[in-house]
Amino acid sequence: NAGVTQTPKFQVLKTGQSMTLQCAQDMNHEYMSWYRQDPGMGLRLIHYSVGAGITDQGEVPNGYNVSRSTTEDFPLRLLSAAPSQTSVYFCASSFSQGAYGYTFGSGTRLTVV
Amino acid sequence: GEDVEQSLFLSVREGDSSVINCTYTDSSSTYLYWYKQEPGAGLQLLTYIFSNMDMKQDQRLTVLLNKKDKHLSLRIADTQTGDSAIYFCAEIYGGSQGNLIFGKGTKLSVKP
Repeated sequence: NAGVTQTPKFQVLKTGQSMTLQCAQDMNHEYMSWYRQDPGMGLRLIHYSVGAGITDQGEVPNGYNVSRSTTEDFPLRLLSAAPSQTSVYFCASSFSQGAYGYTFGSGTRLTVV
Repeated sequence: GEDVEQSLFLSVREGDSSVINCTYTDSSSTYLYWYKQEPGAGLQLLTYIFSNMDMKQDQRLTVLLNKKDKHLSLRIADTQTGDSAIYFCAEIYGGSQGNLIFGKGTKLSVKP
């Protein structure tokens, strides 16, 4: 099925552990982005990419790394997990500068203890 | 920075119309969107409007854009219990590099 696929759906980490949240899309979209959703805060942009090999920081990038080696994949790395990174993470992709909207994955619910 | 504001809660009775409002601050907005999020789910694009439009209708949904007041609204006609969800207003504007900037969401509760 065409769309944005995120794995895992749920994850529990201990403080200081690292992990990678996976995101893949099969729509040949150039734009991809990562958001985190926290209660009462809406969705905040972490990192984004406008094409393979190009990434940039969003509103809340600290503690996260990204890379974009292919058009399809845009993984998000947590370098040393902290309780403040407990959140729901969404990956999204778009055809062209967001025109006609972004397609979102189903999310990864991350708990850091 | 850019701000997108929404009221946090709205409660309506089944069969009534719902109107969810949103205001934004940057006049260079190019696209404006409404997303729906059901509990435990991702975001579903409901509808969008280009900044050169005033209104867009799609079945039960009507979007109104007042550029002078930087105000966007979503009207849901004949609201059903299945419409209960969080509705997010979002925009893309000149300085957002093609990225969505979201409001905090309006939780719509539909009472039978």
